[in-house]
Amino acid sequence: DGGITQSPKYLFRKEGQNVTLSCEQNLNHDAMYWYRQDPGQGLRLIYYSQIVNDFQKGDIAEGYSVSREKKESFPLTVTSAQKNPTAFYLCASADGTDTQYFGPGTRLTVL
Amino acid sequence: AQSVTQLDSQVPVFEEAPVELRCNYSSSVSVYLFWYVQYPNQGLQLLLKYLSGSTLVKGINGFEAEFNKSQTSFHLRKPSVHISDTAEYFCAVSDLSGGSYIPTFGRGTSLIVHP
Repeated sequence: DGGITQSPKYLFRKEGQNVTLSCEQNLNHDAMYWYRQDPGQGLRLIYYSQIVNDFQKGDIAEGYSVSREKKESFPLTVTSAQKNPTAFYLCASADGTDTQYFGPGTRLTVL
Repeated sequence: AQSVTQLDSQVPVFEEAPVELRCNYSSSVSVYLFWYVQYPNQGLQLLLKYLSGSTLVKGINGFEAEFNKSQTSFHLRKPSVHISDTAEYFCAVSDLSGGSYIPTFGRGTSLIVHP
């Protein structure tokens, strides 16, 4: 079954702690994306990658970091520099027509 | 830069009534257009898309949308809604002329179906 998986489903972060959200795809897509979703604000792009070993900042990259060492994997680290990280995080990959395929999301809460 | 406007943040409707969710985008010669649906606490899933060809596009769950180039719109319609259609709906546009492969999303429309 092809698709995108994200883990964990729920994540809790203490002050000053870095946390990493996992995103894996088996759709053989080159492009992958991370979005943040807050109530009433739609989707905001954090980072995207169009090929292995390359990634670009999106609209709200401050306080976040990513890596793209493998085509299948695009993990997102929420660093302690991100002052308001409580949100729903969505990972997606895209095919050659820009159609995006989303994972089930990770809900991050700051304690 | 491309912008996408979903004119209604919330649309309440009774079950079995028709519904239209509106989406307008800034002008461009060549675009791909998408509608996605998001159920509570889940990721988005594709409802339908327009890449080329017929301007009337049919999608899953009985939804359809019409691409209107002159009005730069891509409104989503369903002739008879069901309670299970209650969800958030997002319109997205890929501007092929800009050289970017990042779709621009609207802010979403919450469809609330009442019994």
